[in-house]
Amino acid sequence: GENVEQHPSTLSVQEGDSAVIKCTYSDSASNYFPWYKQELGKGPQLIIDIRSNVGEKKDQRIAVTLNKTAKHFSLHITETQPEDSAVYFCAASPGYSTLTFGKGTMLLVSP
Amino acid sequence: SAVISQKPSRDICQRGTSLTIQCQVDSQVTMMFWYRQQPGQSLTLIATANQGSEATYESGFVIDKFPISRPNLTFSTLTVSNMSPEDSSIYLCSGSGLAGEGEQYFGPGTRLTVT
Repeated sequence: GENVEQHPSTLSVQEGDSAVIKCTYSDSASNYFPWYKQELGKGPQLIIDIRSNVGEKKDQRIAVTLNKTAKHFSLHITETQPEDSAVYFCAASPGYSTLTFGKGTMLLVSP
Repeated sequence: SAVISQKPSRDICQRGTSLTIQCQVDSQVTMMFWYRQQPGQSLTLIATANQGSEATYESGFVIDKFPISRPNLTFSTLTVSNMSPEDSSIYLCSGSGLAGEGEQYFGPGTRLTVT
């Protein structure tokens, strides 16, 4: 089955800096890669996703890149703000159905 | 995006008892899922809730322990049976298929503590 590795497990940045979280996956059949943000006491919130026919996608301060050859994808957050502090999860799916999640990255943005 | 609600939001239960968690989606979804998230950990898929038929369970999860119902396209329940302290966790439901593109949206979770 699919295996998703996520790094780093924790990431501390200063407000205004950029943050990058990286994931690798094992199943070449995976073609859908969402990212979730989970704040304390809440359910995961879908913040951006990318499909295998696209190499990069951007939504305001958030971007995701995908390298299918190397089987890795990354989340980029620019101009970080304290409200970006949360746990971020990457995931992979072979057919827009069951998701396999990475272990999560705790992002802390200091004012 | 879908709005997904869960009841209860949290509960404290005694070992040996059972708890049923309800999940309601505000619009019809193709697929519904149940996950478990232990404190500080990632999400683990328990099962896919199939409308009108038996759920599809992932390895390590069985119907006798986690019976699931899905009577229609917007509602599902998960029961945690014969609970032990090891079942203490957050249980999350999700739905996908609103736009036919597979985005999966999550409920707020049910925090279960078994004493």
